[in-house]
Amino acid sequence: EAQVTQNPRYLITVTGKKLTVTCSQNMNHEYMSWYRQDPGLGLRQIYYSMNVEVTDKGDVPEGYKVSRKEKRNFPLILESPSPNQTSLYFCASSSTGASGTNPYGYTFGSGTRLTVV
Amino acid sequence: KNQVEQSPQSLIILEGKNCTLQCNYTVSPFSNLRWYKQDTGRGPVSLTIMTFSENTKSNGRYTATLDADTKQSSLHITASQLSDSASYICVVSESVYSSASKIIFGSGTRLSIRP
Repeated sequence: EAQVTQNPRYLITVTGKKLTVTCSQNMNHEYMSWYRQDPGLGLRQIYYSMNVEVTDKGDVPEGYKVSRKEKRNFPLILESPSPNQTSLYFCASSSTGASGTNPYGYTFGSGTRLTVV
Repeated sequence: KNQVEQSPQSLIILEGKNCTLQCNYTVSPFSNLRWYKQDTGRGPVSLTIMTFSENTKSNGRYTATLDADTKQSSLHITASQLSDSASYICVVSESVYSSASKIIFGSGTRLSIRP
C-alpha cells in the first residue's frame, strides 16, 4: 500500500531533550515536506526537500533540522525542543511534474502529536 | 503577500443537505489548486486538484469549481453524510520555474454534519 509513515504517533518530552520524528514513504516520491498544524493557523511548512541531499526552509524552520540522505526517508529533528513546539506534525510526499519542480497531489502521513513540557 | 482565505470557518448542516465551501486566493503566478479533507487527528487526504485551465472537477459527491479570473474556488458537497464531518482545506500552489513551487494552505473550514 502506498503510504507515508510517521513515527511516533504521540510523543511527550521535556524541554531541551533532543528528539527525532521519522518519516518514510514507499512511493519513490522526489518531494517531501514537514508541516506543523496549530489551532486557527492551518498547516505551516517547516522544511521541504526536492530530492536526496536537497533541502530548504519553509515558513517556520526555526528550531528544526532535517536531512534527506535517502529518497524514502525525511526525518525531522528537534535539537532542543521548547514548549512552543508543541503541535501536530505532518510529513507529506509528492511526485513532481514534468518540469521537476511542481509537486502534485500530496500524500500525508497520519501525524505526530508532540507535547513539550 | 500570497494568501489563501477560506469561508466560513465552521459550518453545521443536517445530514442529507448540500453545502458549499469557499476559497479565495491571491497567489500569483498560479499553478494549481487542491481541496483536501482532514478528519480529526488524521492527515489530509486529497479530494480534487485543478490547474489554470480547469474550471470544475468532481470526485463522487464532491464538486470543486475554479474561477482563475476572480481567483475563487468552491467545494460543493451534495447529499451530505455523517462521514463528511471533517475540516476541508484549500491549498494553492504558486508557479515557480526554477525551484520548488510555494504551496500555501488555507486555514480550513470545519464542517459538522448533524443527524
